[in-house]
Amino acid sequence: GAVVSQHPSWVICKSGTSVKIECRSLDFQATTMFWYRQFPKQSLMLMATSNEGSKATYEQGVEKDKFLINHASLTLSTLTVTSAHPEDSSFYICSATREQYFGPGTRLTVT
Amino acid sequence: QQQVKQSPQSLIVQKGGISIINCAYENTAFDYFPWYQQFPGKGPALLIAIRPDVSEKKEGRFTISFNKSAKQFSLHIMDSQPGDSATYFCAASIRPNQFYFGTGTSLTVIP
Repeated sequence: GAVVSQHPSWVICKSGTSVKIECRSLDFQATTMFWYRQFPKQSLMLMATSNEGSKATYEQGVEKDKFLINHASLTLSTLTVTSAHPEDSSFYICSATREQYFGPGTRLTVT
Repeated sequence: QQQVKQSPQSLIVQKGGISIINCAYENTAFDYFPWYQQFPGKGPALLIAIRPDVSEKKEGRFTISFNKSAKQFSLHIMDSQPGDSATYFCAASIRPNQFYFGTGTSLTVIP
């Protein structure tokens, strides 16, 4: 199956700072990538759909200005959590293709 | 509104037994039904998937049974092993940006 990587795998940051998470498709080109958020022992919540060369499509209730998504190339999408707060602490996972090949996830902890 | 309903929430099975997880959906427009396996701290991994034109798909010890008329599909894990202990998610999709996940089933296989 397709391989998707994420970086970093975990990050700790202080409140008010911004954090960037990278999602890369390693062996294929992805015009569309997806960003999910997952709380402990819960299902995945789609945050936004990232489209190469155009603006991301955000799900209802997701703050566009807080979760900035950039899909600058066919193999890279980034999610930037701006002015992070403790409630943003979560597991962020990206995926690509119709089959939803997932990255390994990024654990964000905001102190 | 939960588009895909998954049960049970948790499941304990003896080694060598059969694990069965069920999902139900309402939208007949769904045309892709995958199952994902997720280990703690990792992203979900595509396990097996089926399209509505077949009633069963088997890959090794994993089988999807699909009942189009009942709008239900299930995952069967034969000869369950302790290494199968993980959280399993079913999902249903119409197209890439309409992907709905079940709430997850925590499977524990007892040696």
